[in-house]
Amino acid sequence: EAGVAQSPRYKIIEKRQSVAFWCNPISGHATLYWYQQILGQGPKLLIQFQNNGVVDDSQLPKDRFSAERLKGVDSTLKIQPAKLEDSAVYLCASSLVARAGTEAFFGQGTRLTVV
Amino acid sequence: GQQVMQIPQYQHVQEGEDFTTYCNSSTTLSNIQWYKQRPGGHPVFLIQLVKSGEVKKQKRLTFQFGEAKKNSSLHITATQTTDVGTYFCAGPPLSSGSARQLTFGSGTQLTVLP
Repeated sequence: EAGVAQSPRYKIIEKRQSVAFWCNPISGHATLYWYQQILGQGPKLLIQFQNNGVVDDSQLPKDRFSAERLKGVDSTLKIQPAKLEDSAVYLCASSLVARAGTEAFFGQGTRLTVV
Repeated sequence: GQQVMQIPQYQHVQEGEDFTTYCNSSTTLSNIQWYKQRPGGHPVFLIQLVKSGEVKKQKRLTFQFGEAKKNSSLHITATQTTDVGTYFCAGPPLSSGSARQLTFGSGTQLTVLP
């Protein structure tokens, strides 16, 4: 079974530039998560989709971050404009459904460096 | 909002010693999941506990969910160098309904000295 695919693996941009990350979850997984993991910290949930609907985006900095999952399958996360503090690993995860008993499967992540 | 804290933040042990990490949530959890993240890797699911007071074992790892479903622990017996990594607990608050936001703890970074 193919895992969660993310691209790119690494990205270096200057502050105030824009960047986009792509995620393809495991086939059939209805729930998709985007997490931000700053070095030395636990993953912080940015946004959670159930199919193509948003169920939680309370921690997404909406003035600069946006995410979409148009067809309920793959998803993109965009940052515009980037700030230095956005340097982190952006992890995408998916699960069969968002309920008890369903583990989240993570992709390899995209390491973003903002200079 | 919900906060999930873990202690200790770092732990260095000699190979063969035991290790325990504790997870505490500010809110009652629907369930608790444990993940392991190797250096440079991504979180990998270890186990899920659902019932109050539940205890599960995986070889040398013992997981416990508190009676109030607000805390949990992971105990590793006789650590090995392959146990190196950061251990995270994660769980959706009971009040989240069908949304089941998966909030991660701060993690415990385990170093095993040979």
